[in-house]
Amino acid sequence: DGGITQSPKYLFRKEGQNVTLSCEQNLNHDAMYWYRQDPGQGLRLIYYSQIVNDFQKGDIAEGYSVSREKKESFPLTVTSAQKNPTAFYLCASRRAWGEQFFGPGTRLTVL
Amino acid sequence: AQSVTQLDSQVPVFEEAPVELRCNYSSSVSVYLFWYVQYPNQGLQLLLKYLSGSTLVKGINGFEAEFNKSQTSFHLRKPSVHISDTAEYFCAVSDTQGGSEKLVFGKGTKLTVNP
Repeated sequence: DGGITQSPKYLFRKEGQNVTLSCEQNLNHDAMYWYRQDPGQGLRLIYYSQIVNDFQKGDIAEGYSVSREKKESFPLTVTSAQKNPTAFYLCASRRAWGEQFFGPGTRLTVL
Repeated sequence: AQSVTQLDSQVPVFEEAPVELRCNYSSSVSVYLFWYVQYPNQGLQLLLKYLSGSTLVKGINGFEAEFNKSQTSFHLRKPSVHISDTAEYFCAVSDTQGGSEKLVFGKGTKLTVNP
């Protein structure tokens, strides 16, 4: 079955560390997205990519970086510059008409 | 830029009661509209979508929504809720003139169904 996998499900980071969240899709979708979710804040867009080797900043890109070397993969790195990284991170890909299909999420906690 | 307002952050209801979750969006330009559901510690799942045509849209789990262009609203309804409907619900809009590149989400409504 086609879908999006995110790993790990839970991730713990020490202060000053960079960590990378994985997102893989086998839906053959061109566009992929990363969102951050905090309680009561809804979903906020971090980065998105419409095609391989190209990506754009979203609303809260500071302290994050991405790459898109393969159509199937869109990893997100949370750098030490992100001062408040504890959150639930969701990866998505886009189907037709703007509809997005979501992965199961990664919960990142700073120790 | 588009914005989405979900008027209620929390909605408590009793089992088998009807429910309406309200959603308004900012722009009257051509849009696609979506409702998603999120269970605790999971990703978002599409409930239903409006692309064009009939303004009454039916989705999964007995939910439906009505698109009202003049009021720029897309309220979600269910005639009789179950305990299992307890979740957070997100309304989202995609601007077709922007190529539907991005979805703009509301802040969510937590539905709690009590026995």
